[in-house]
Amino acid sequence: NAGVTQTPKFQVLKTGQSMTLQCAQDMNHEYMSWYRQDPGMGLRLIHYSVGAGITDQGEVPNGYNVSRSTTEDFPLRLLSAAPSQTSVYFCASTSGRQGTVREQYFGPGTRLTVT
Amino acid sequence: RKEVEQDPGPFNVPEGATVAFNCTYSNSASQSFFWYRQDCRKEPKLLMSVYSSGNEDGRFTAQLNRASQYISLLIRDSKLSDSATYLCVVNRYNFNKFYFGSGTKLNVKP
Repeated sequence: NAGVTQTPKFQVLKTGQSMTLQCAQDMNHEYMSWYRQDPGMGLRLIHYSVGAGITDQGEVPNGYNVSRSTTEDFPLRLLSAAPSQTSVYFCASTSGRQGTVREQYFGPGTRLTVT
Repeated sequence: RKEVEQDPGPFNVPEGATVAFNCTYSNSASQSFFWYRQDCRKEPKLLMSVYSSGNEDGRFTAQLNRASQYISLLIRDSKLSDSATYLCVVNRYNFNKFYFGSGTKLNVKP
């Protein structure tokens, strides 16, 4: 199994550009999520999904959109990139169901710089 | 107030030392607890879950104190390879969100 894959690994954008970060998992997990990690801030939840067709906002959703058309894929779209979105982005896939102990598996991350 | 708080460190210890980290959480409804390890410029990886009765995995011991709302991680006989950032994570069963601490950095020196 590949686990959680993310593309691209690195990206440089100019302010105002849009792009999509890709995330896929092959573990048949219902729950997936996107985080950003900034120095000294820990991981902050952007959006999450509890299954195909269902998404919800996390702690810092502004400037980002998500969709979940299949169980496997959970892309994150930056609508109009801003320098404040310079960060490392991690996608995670979570085992188990609500009401049980759940473990998260992370992708390798995308390092995004917005100039 | 943050959901999860950790001392950022760094903790600088010699090889073979015993080191302990604490993490406090603010919501008493939190029900599952984890320690993750993150190496520099890599993704977080699960180190161990934390159970109410405490649990041990080799040189690592995790404890939960619900009354005081903190979790601890003890590392015995530190190795150079233990150098990393350790993230405390909590989850509430009826919520689909995990809350991460900002991490505690450990440097194990020869």
